[in-house]
Amino acid sequence: DAGVTQSPTHLIKTRGQQVTLRCSPKSGHDTVSWYQQALGQGPQFIFQYYEEEERQRGNFPDRFSGHQFPNYSSELNVNALLLGDSALYLCASSLTEGRSHSGANVLTFGAGSRLTVL
Amino acid sequence: QKEVEQDPGPLSVPEGAIVSLNCTYSNSAFQYFMWYRQYSRKGPELLMYTYSSGNKEDGRFTAQVDKSSKYISLFIRDSQPSDSATYLCAMTPPGANSKLTFGKGITLSVRP
Repeated sequence: DAGVTQSPTHLIKTRGQQVTLRCSPKSGHDTVSWYQQALGQGPQFIFQYYEEEERQRGNFPDRFSGHQFPNYSSELNVNALLLGDSALYLCASSLTEGRSHSGANVLTFGAGSRLTVL
Repeated sequence: QKEVEQDPGPLSVPEGAIVSLNCTYSNSAFQYFMWYRQYSRKGPELLMYTYSSGNKEDGRFTAQVDKSSKYISLFIRDSQPSDSATYLCAMTPPGANSKLTFGKGITLSVRP
């Protein structure tokens, strides 16, 4: 059973460029969340997608946008890249409330996409 | 003040030692408390989670939550070199849709 898969694994961009990162959730999961993990820091919540809609958003600018497709896969787009956007971008999948047997948001993370902005 | 503070590292211990990892938090809405382990160049993997106050044991790992002090701990008994990783505490209000708030993480090295 494949877990969460992300692509690309690594990429290098220059300031001002745009990037798209992709995520396939764990089989059976319907909710996708994206987190940004800067070097030496814990993951920071960017946003969460369910039923192709952004359901929650963290404290990130509008340069960060996303999409969820009918097959539950997701994309994260970042426009006008800044040096400070260099980080590991983590995708996590889960079951939405009502389908989950847990009262907590139990996330399964992918290995991440490491973005370097020069 | 950050919502979640985690003891700074790195931490280096000999094999077989008991390891104590700790986090404090300020948001009273947090009800679920999680510990993730992250190996180098990998995503975080859930070790265990607890609800509200109390202890939970899973093999060599024990999680403790003291809501009155807003303090959580993870104990690792008989530590092994394979336990060398970054450990992240995470917290969330109730609800399967709630976002997780993570600590900064602490890197543990277990020396053979």
